[in-house]
Order: sequence, then structure tokens, then C-alpha cells
Amino acid sequence: EPEVTQTPSHQVTQMGQEVILRCVPISNHLYFYWYRQILGQKVEFLVSFYNNEISEKSEIFDDQFSVERPDGSNFTLKIRSTKLEDSAMYFCASDLLGGGYTFGSGTRLTVV
Amino acid sequence: GIQVEQSPPDLILQEGANSTLRCNFSDSVNNLQWFHQNPWGQLINLFYIPSGTKQNGRLSATTVATERYSLLYISSSQTTDSGVYFCAVEPVNTGFQKLVFGTGTRLLVSP
Repeated sequence: EPEVTQTPSHQVTQMGQEVILRCVPISNHLYFYWYRQILGQKVEFLVSFYNNEISEKSEIFDDQFSVERPDGSNFTLKIRSTKLEDSAMYFCASDLLGGGYTFGSGTRLTVV
Repeated sequence: GIQVEQSPPDLILQEGANSTLRCNFSDSVNNLQWFHQNPWGQLINLFYIPSGTKQNGRLSATTVATERYSLLYISSSQTTDSGVYFCAVEPVNTGFQKLVFGTGTRLLVSP
């Protein structure tokens, strides 16, 4: 069964540093997403991406965040200057339209 | 925006028992999925079920879209079923696609 692959599985970074989380969505999927889950809380939508541009973003997705699909296969989330409150599990997902979303196994980001 | 409520918030079962988890949503949806979050934090897709009933082994799910709820049934529970179960919905007519997650049901199955 096709998978969404995320790397790294765990990243520790110093406050103020830039991080890039990477995802390889399912190849024939058209819609790509990032979600976030702070420890013990529910999963929250960050951003959706379609046709090489952002289609929707949440209030959480401020100017510190950006997404890119640089080469037609990878889908990245960049956090420019990390804060302690950015510590969370970040999930990438993709969707073909009407078939259900497939989530990656997540990147646990710890900001110290 | 759409509200997604899950009940119960916590559930403790003896191994072998059956359980029913409920998801209520406040508006029409295009899509509904059930996920199991395992102790390592991974989200495992259980069912894509915008309507009707599906079964997969000991698990089954029913969505009654007209009444805005979905049920997840776990039969003969095992310790490996422990974790958090999330319902997530894709609202209709928002103009964009995204899943809105419920707050989850935390299940603990004891031996």
C-alpha cells in the first residue's frame, strides 16, 4: 500500500534556529497538507497545498512558516525561527480527492 | 466552523471486552475518517467512511451522515488496541479541503 514518508522522525533544535521538515507524498495525489499535534492535544490543520500553491492556511500558519514542493516529489515545511511552543508532532498528509487522506508517521520536533 | 465531538473521552476495558466510540459533528461532511494513534504517535488510518458501514476484522464503523454521527465498534479488544482514537471530518461547502479532528477517545485495554 502506498505510503507518505516523513523525515526525520525526531528533530531537536535550539530556539531561534530554522528547521525544515520533509515529506514525500503519494505520487498520484494532488492535495498536500501539514498538520500539527501539541503533546496531549488534538491534531490541528496548518496548511493545504494544491497546484503548487497554498490553498488554505490556519491562524497558526503565520509568517514563520512556509511550504514548498521544490522538485515534484518532496513537500517541505520550514519554520524560520523556532519557538518553544513550536514543539509538537508534525504530520504530512496527501489526498487524491474523494479517497481519504493518508498521513505520514510524523516528525516529532523538540525546541530547546 | 464545524464542531467534532467524541465520546467518551477516556475508556478503560478488560481484554476481550467490546466497546463503542462515538463521533458527533455539527454540519454536513464530504468525508469522515477514523484514526488510531499508537503509543509512538503514528496516525493509523482505520476507515474512510463518509456514509454506511464497513468492517475490518475486529473493527467496524458506521456513519449516519443525515444524523451527523459515526460509531466505531471494537470487538474482543486486545492490549494492542490501546491508544487514542480520532474521528476527523471534511466539511462540505467550505471551498477548501481539510480534515477537522475531534478531541479523541483515549482507550486503555488491560490484560
